[in-house]
Formats: sequence, structure tokens, C-alpha cells
Amino acid sequence: QQPVQSPQAVILREGEDAVINCSSSKALYSVHWYRQKHGEAPVFLMILLKGGEQKGHEKISASFNEKKQQSSLYLTASQLSYSGTYFCGTEPTGTASKLTFGTGTRLQVTL
Amino acid sequence: NAGVTQTPKFRVLKTGQSMTLLCAQDMNHEYMYWYRQDPGMGLRLIHYSVGEGTTAKGEVPDGYNVSRLKKQNFLLGLESAAPSQTSVYFCASSYRTGGPPLHFGNGTRLTVT
Repeated sequence: QQPVQSPQAVILREGEDAVINCSSSKALYSVHWYRQKHGEAPVFLMILLKGGEQKGHEKISASFNEKKQQSSLYLTASQLSYSGTYFCGTEPTGTASKLTFGTGTRLQVTL
Repeated sequence: NAGVTQTPKFRVLKTGQSMTLLCAQDMNHEYMYWYRQDPGMGLRLIHYSVGEGTTAKGEVPDGYNVSRLKKQNFLLGLESAAPSQTSVYFCASSYRTGGPPLHFGNGTRLTVT
């Protein structure tokens, strides 16, 4: 079963912040975040393992709440280059190897 | 290093025809995956492999077969193509689960008429 992402789409002005959420119905071992530009392959951003850790990648960070089976991606001071579709991928506990992706959040950053 | 290479990049098939998509990786990864991407559906797992000679079904395996005869190659076959299989297909690989990222190929755009 695919994780649920919200919102489905968001439009930002350059410099604004955004949060993308990912929720699963299953207990999770890890959450991956990827960004895909139009016509290109998804590109890895970061991975979070169970334990509630938070990671960062430049001005993009993420958190993982193991108990709630949720992860959030935080984009701070957005840049034009942040535009694209963001996918979370979840790896449920006990189902090693099966990374299931959400339906994506389309982010557009404008001037 | 080339990373993950998919061939072909584009293909048009007629209903009922067969074809094989090839995925090759040069990173000595154990795990390989085939996903399909449709508008509004995200990436859905078709089949995957945890090592040479092994394959397993993903979320949407019907109508597809796979083989992993060599560690570096993962083949996706369509025996009798249907218009519902029109999609963009991505191959990905990883050296293990539970942490390392997936490395994706550039995709194959398949149209079935």
C-alpha cells in the first residue's frame, strides 16, 4: 500500500518555506525522500531510519516520527532549483527490499 | 562509471506484441528494481530482485516477467503488451536495503497502441 503524501501540489515564491508530509499505515524501518525534475529520473535527497532522527541537505531537512509512521520534508528559503516533484519512499518493518513510493507532491517555485 | 543504464529510451508497440527492457548497473549492487510511473500514481513497484538468480513480485506484477541471470542485469519482459502498460519505466539499484539510496536509470518511455 502506497504512503500518502500531502499536499498534492504547492506553489511558492522564491524565499518562502514549505512542508511536505508523508504518512504510512504500516510500521516503518526507513523513509526515503527523492526529487524528480520533469522528464528526468528521481534523485536521492536523504534517508531517515527509525529513531526519530532529523537530517538535513543544504536548506532541505526532514524528520521521521516512528510512532506516528510519518515523515515530513522541510524546504527553507526555497530556490527556483527546488521546483519538481517530491516523492517519499517507505520501507516497512519486516519487508526488507520493498521500497514503496507515495504519489508525489508537485512543488513550483516562482520569482 | 555509467551507473544504471536502461535500454531502449523510447519504444512504441502494438497491442499483443512482446518486448524486453534491459537494465544494467556497474556498481556491483545486489538489489535491483523495476518501477512504472503514471501521471498521478507516483512510482509503483513491478518486480524486484535481491540478488543474482532471485526475483520477487512488487505491487503491480501482472503482465510482466523478469529475470536476473547476471548480477549486473535485470530484464523486464512484456509477453503480450496492452494499452494499460503505456507508461514510463524506471529501473533502480541499491547495494542493500535499510539505508542506501536507490540509483535510478533515465527511464524508458513505452507507448502501446
